[in-house]
Amino acid sequence: DSGVTQTPKHLITATGQRVTLRCSPRSGDLSVYWYQQSLDQGLQFLIQYYNGEERAKGNILERFSAQQFPDLHSELNLSSLELGDSALYFCASSPLWGESQFFGPGTRLTVL
Amino acid sequence: AQTVTQSQPEMSVQEAETVTLSCTYDTSESNYYLFWYKQPPSRQMILVIRQEAYKQQNATENRFSVNFQKAAKSFSLKISDSQLGDTAMYFCACYSGGGADGLTFGKGTHLIIQP
Repeated sequence: DSGVTQTPKHLITATGQRVTLRCSPRSGDLSVYWYQQSLDQGLQFLIQYYNGEERAKGNILERFSAQQFPDLHSELNLSSLELGDSALYFCASSPLWGESQFFGPGTRLTVL
Repeated sequence: AQTVTQSQPEMSVQEAETVTLSCTYDTSESNYYLFWYKQPPSRQMILVIRQEAYKQQNATENRFSVNFQKAAKSFSLKISDSQLGDTAMYFCACYSGGGADGLTFGKGTHLIIQP
């Protein structure tokens, strides 16, 4: 158990819909990262938050957004969903930048 | 931008053997970190080992060790006395960007430990 929690574990929805994935980092970790793992794209970095502020963006689509709240939990919002958005979405946390990132169990999103 | 390349899509060894997984990377940053992550069938991403680029000494964690060749931009993982539980996907990853970035992953090596 990494100490990072993610909910829900599985999510099945339809094209065009919007979903919210939630992540709670390890106690004391200020940095939260979101990653997408799909068969064709592999593991891709989406976005990073540090202590409530957006720190870096990776290959995140404009239809996707995220935020980190004062209690440091983070949410990833995916809207206008397409079949190609079906993937495993991971959240990871670390104390500071450059430190090791510990991953949550992931949320498996299926878009039908 | 940085890239990570794992050239072995799949490897298979017998239990108790030693196996080495290859990884090469490319980054323009002088300060960076390298990692190996394990992803078993449960799909959980588990940190195996970490190497700071400024350290010459190779990192070790129990049966896992790395061979970090900075000039060659090579970062291989050696698993000694392999066990059935080592069967998993192994991903090499690089982190740089001065704190404003995420991990860049290779495509992974599927390691199978045969009984």
